[in-house]
Formats: sequence, structure tokens, C-alpha cells
Amino acid sequence: GDSVTQMEGPVTLSEEAFLTINCTYTATGYPSLFWYVQYPGEGLQLLLKATKADDKGSNKGFEATYRKETTSFHLEKGSVQVSDSAVYFCALNTPLVFGKGTRLSVIA
Amino acid sequence: GAVVSQHPSRVICKSGTSVKIECRSLDFQATTMFWYRQFPKKSLMLMATSNEGSKATYEQGVEKDKFLINHASLTLSTLTVTSAHPEDSSFYICSAKTGLASYEQYFGPGTRLTVT
Repeated sequence: GDSVTQMEGPVTLSEEAFLTINCTYTATGYPSLFWYVQYPGEGLQLLLKATKADDKGSNKGFEATYRKETTSFHLEKGSVQVSDSAVYFCALNTPLVFGKGTRLSVIA
Repeated sequence: GAVVSQHPSRVICKSGTSVKIECRSLDFQATTMFWYRQFPKKSLMLMATSNEGSKATYEQGVEKDKFLINHASLTLSTLTVTSAHPEDSSFYICSAKTGLASYEQYFGPGTRLTVT
């Protein structure tokens, strides 16, 4: 069945460092791909999405490109902030299939 | 954005008892709600899909008689864990869907269930 594999955490970075969280997927057909973020004490929120190959999703300085040839959807941000500390989930549909989540801690 | 609440946020119950978890969409109508279970360091596992006014659709391996789901209105779905056992201890998360596209889901903050 469909599955998502994302890098194990936790990831600890200093403020303004570059972030990459790897995500690869296995799916039949052409799924839509998503990154969700869960801030402490809150529910999951959609961060960004891409619905077809070569699409780039972006939001709040985060980006991810749908790479069909490598079945990947890596999350990147050029300069992280303390407020980016959260758990990030890669997912595909439908219904939503999630990776295990990667906890990011950003230190000032 | 749309808000989904869950109640309670944490619950502790004794083995053999039942516990009910509520999921509410506060400012929108949700024709479909989903229940997930999350184990430590594991991904969210979809348990069931709940459509208002009809029986829930359970994923393979999820006991429908143990995890009773009711979606009585467009803003409320409940999950009842019956005859709870320690292995049912987990983090339960609901989400509500507003439109046809699956990414239009809004998630609740989750409920931590501990069965002693």
C-alpha cells in the first residue's frame, strides 16, 4: 500500500540555519503530497502541498518540490527561527497517509 | 482558519471501563470526520472515516465494536473506547473535512488516553 518515509528526528538547529527534512513516498498513481506541522499543544496544520510532478509548494518560507523521478518531497527552509520549532509530518492522499513525523527544535 | 476541538484533552480510566472522546468543528460544518491514533514515535494511523448520519467506515484491523464512532450532526463526532485495556492507551486525533479535496482537513489537538 501507499507509504511515506521521513527522516527520523529530533533535529536541533541554531537560529538562521538551513533546514532539510527528507521525505520519500511509495504510491500507485499520482498522489498529492503534503507537509503538515504540529506546534506544541495544537492540532496539525497544513503547511504546504503539491498536486503534480515538479510542483513546488511554499508557505512561511518553507518549500518542497514534488519529484516524481525520485519519489521525494523534501522540506526546506533557508533560515529557521525559534518559532519554527514543531513536529513536521509528510503525507500523501487519499485518504491521508502520514510519515512518522520529525521533531524540529530551533535554538536561539 | 477552521477550528476543530477535542474533549477531553487528557483522560485516565480504569481497565474495563468505557470512555468517550468528542470532536467538534467550531465554525464550519463537516460532512466527514476522521479518527486517527498515534503511537509514540509512530505516524498517525487512520482508524475510521465518519460521515454524518451514516455508519463509520473502519480501516482494516480496527475493531468497530471496540471503537464506537457516532457522527450525529455536522459539527460533532464521538469516539467511544469500550471496555478499555492498557493497550488502548494512545493519542487519539480527529480531523474534519470541509470540501471534496482531501487536503481540506482540519485537525483537533488530540486526546491523550491512559488506561490503568
